[in-house]
Amino acid sequence: EAQVTQNPRYLITVTGKKLTVTCSQNMNHEYMSWYRQDPGLGLRQIYYSMNVEVTDKGDVPEGYKVSRKEKRNFPLILESPSPNQTSLYFCASSSQRELYNEQFFGPGTRLTVL
Amino acid sequence: AQSVTQPDIHITVSEGASLELRCNYSYGATPYLFWYVQSPGQGLQLLLKYFSGDTLVQGIKGFEAEFKRSQSSFNLRKPSVHWSDAAEYFCAVGQYSSASKIIFGSGTRLSIRP
Repeated sequence: EAQVTQNPRYLITVTGKKLTVTCSQNMNHEYMSWYRQDPGLGLRQIYYSMNVEVTDKGDVPEGYKVSRKEKRNFPLILESPSPNQTSLYFCASSSQRELYNEQFFGPGTRLTVL
Repeated sequence: AQSVTQPDIHITVSEGASLELRCNYSYGATPYLFWYVQSPGQGLQLLLKYFSGDTLVQGIKGFEAEFKRSQSSFNLRKPSVHWSDAAEYFCAVGQYSSASKIIFGSGTRLSIRP
């Protein structure tokens, strides 16, 4: 089944404790992206990657890091989480064969930083 | 810069009634427009998209949307809603200068009255 998976689905942590949220897709998509969703703000892009070893900042990159060492994986790293990073996070992927192909979303990771 | 406005935060309609969710965009050229649906606890799923051609676009689950350039709108409609349509709906616009980058609106939460 074609899908985007994220782990963990739920995470409660404390300020300053480094964490990684994994994202994996099995569709051989070139493009991957991370979003955060906050009430009243919709989805805002954190980072994206056009292909392996190619990453770029989105609209709200501060406090986050990403890497793209393999085509299927795109982990999101919070080196020193803070309470304002409490949010619902989504990973998405799409093919680059056509412009504006559909983005496929993972189920989301709900992060709480105390 | 591109932007998307969804003026209705929350809408409640009776089961079987018709639905229209509003979306206005700001973009200098022909936009690439999308509607996504997010069911409770789920990721986002593409309902439909508009790139060019016929301004009335058919999507999945019986939804349709009409692109009106003169009004800068891309409203989502359904003639008869079902209880399973209760979800959050996001309108989005593609950013031409950056393939695959999508700007999301803040969302409209749809509740269904039995």
